[in-house]
Amino acid sequence: QVQLVQSGAEVKKPGASVKISCKASGHTFAPYIIHWVRQAPGQRPEWMGWINTGNGDTNRSQKFQGRVTISRDTSATTAYMELKNLKSEDTAVYYCARIAGVLNAYFDYWGQGTLVTVSS
Amino acid sequence: DIQMTQSPSTLSASVGDRVTIACRASQTISSWLAWYQQKPGRAPKLLIYKASILESGVPSRFSGSGSGTEFTLTISSLQPDDFATYYCQQYHTYWTFGQGTKVEIK
Repeated sequence: QVQLVQSGAEVKKPGASVKISCKASGHTFAPYIIHWVRQAPGQRPEWMGWINTGNGDTNRSQKFQGRVTISRDTSATTAYMELKNLKSEDTAVYYCARIAGVLNAYFDYWGQGTLVTVSS
Repeated sequence: DIQMTQSPSTLSASVGDRVTIACRASQTISSWLAWYQQKPGRAPKLLIYKASILESGVPSRFSGSGSGTEFTLTISSLQPDDFATYYCQQYHTYWTFGQGTKVEIK
């Protein structure tokens, strides 16, 4: 049974950074594509970027270029997403999700979500 | 960016009703469309992929259709567990979601 378990809720001040982890179990960690998606309160989910857990390749939404870093630790079967220079509008639940395959790029498994609150 | 628009935004229905949710893409996405169900405080759950393929374990009362720019999700007989918000998502070019359709109790 595939499971993605994320780190706990965070409260940060504007201008700070947050780093969220996503630990995978129940499947071979590499190579898979792990995505990061966020959802602000009452809003639709928003794609942020992905990482290939095998070769470390990443791709990010233009919206987050320069502010988001996605990484992985294959020995720990964990992916990470760091968002810098936080603003109040970054308050959201952040999810990691796995896609089923390169030609099946829908999200079949999701983490439980990590609430990030940005407030002074 | 490909924009996804769902209608209606809110839908009031009763148990046993047939429910249809529409999703439109701003440009053609072939059949690269998924539907998700989300309940409060939970992650989205995959229901349908490639526009019409039911994910394993999802009840057969859920079905999807469409291609190109017009898609629909149908629940043939609404059950109490189905009251939730539903999102369409395109994965033709990057990934974008519709604004959601909340199915509430009438």
